[in-house]
Amino acid sequence: DAGVTQSPTHLIKTRGQHVTLRCSPISGHKSVSWYQQVLGQGPQFIFQYYEKEERGRGNFPDRFSARQFPNYSSELNVNALLLGDSALYLCASSFQGSDTQYFGPGTRLTVL
Amino acid sequence: RKEVEQDPGPFNVPEGATVAFNCTYSNSASQSFFWYRQDCRKEPKLLMSVYSSGNEDGRFTAQLNRASQYISLLIRDSKLSDSATYLCVVITVRREAGTALIFGKGTTLSVSS
Repeated sequence: DAGVTQSPTHLIKTRGQHVTLRCSPISGHKSVSWYQQVLGQGPQFIFQYYEKEERGRGNFPDRFSARQFPNYSSELNVNALLLGDSALYLCASSFQGSDTQYFGPGTRLTVL
Repeated sequence: RKEVEQDPGPFNVPEGATVAFNCTYSNSASQSFFWYRQDCRKEPKLLMSVYSSGNEDGRFTAQLNRASQYISLLIRDSKLSDSATYLCVVITVRREAGTALIFGKGTTLSVSS
């Protein structure tokens, strides 16, 4: 079975631009979460979506938004990029009612 | 105070050594606890869940002390392949935020021959 997939794997943007990151959960998983991991730190929770509805939001500015589609895939959008947005963006999926989350390989975003 | 705090690293140990990682969490309402492993430039992967009764998986033993809000991971007979960053993870269900994994900063282990 395929694991969580994310695209693109790497991305380089300049300040002020916007970016869209994509995630496909494990088949059968309806919950998708997004995390940001800056170098030297643990991942930080950004959003959780379940059944196409936002179920949780971390302490991130409104420049960050996300959505989940009927097939449970998800997009994370970041507007007005700042240098500090450079990080590994991780998507994780989980089965309904389970605490265990499975992570995708991440998208490494560099903002110049 | 951070929600999840871990031992500062790195830990540099020889093969065969026993190493212990400690973690504390601040929210007494936290409900689920895990150790994740993250290899360099890779995604985190679940190593094991942590229960109050303690649990063991081969050379790995995890323990939870709810009264002290303390989690530990013991690795016996370290292998070169154990070299990685170990992340302490807590779930604290909050009505506004839903279910989110709260990660510690991670502790890096380097096992040498």
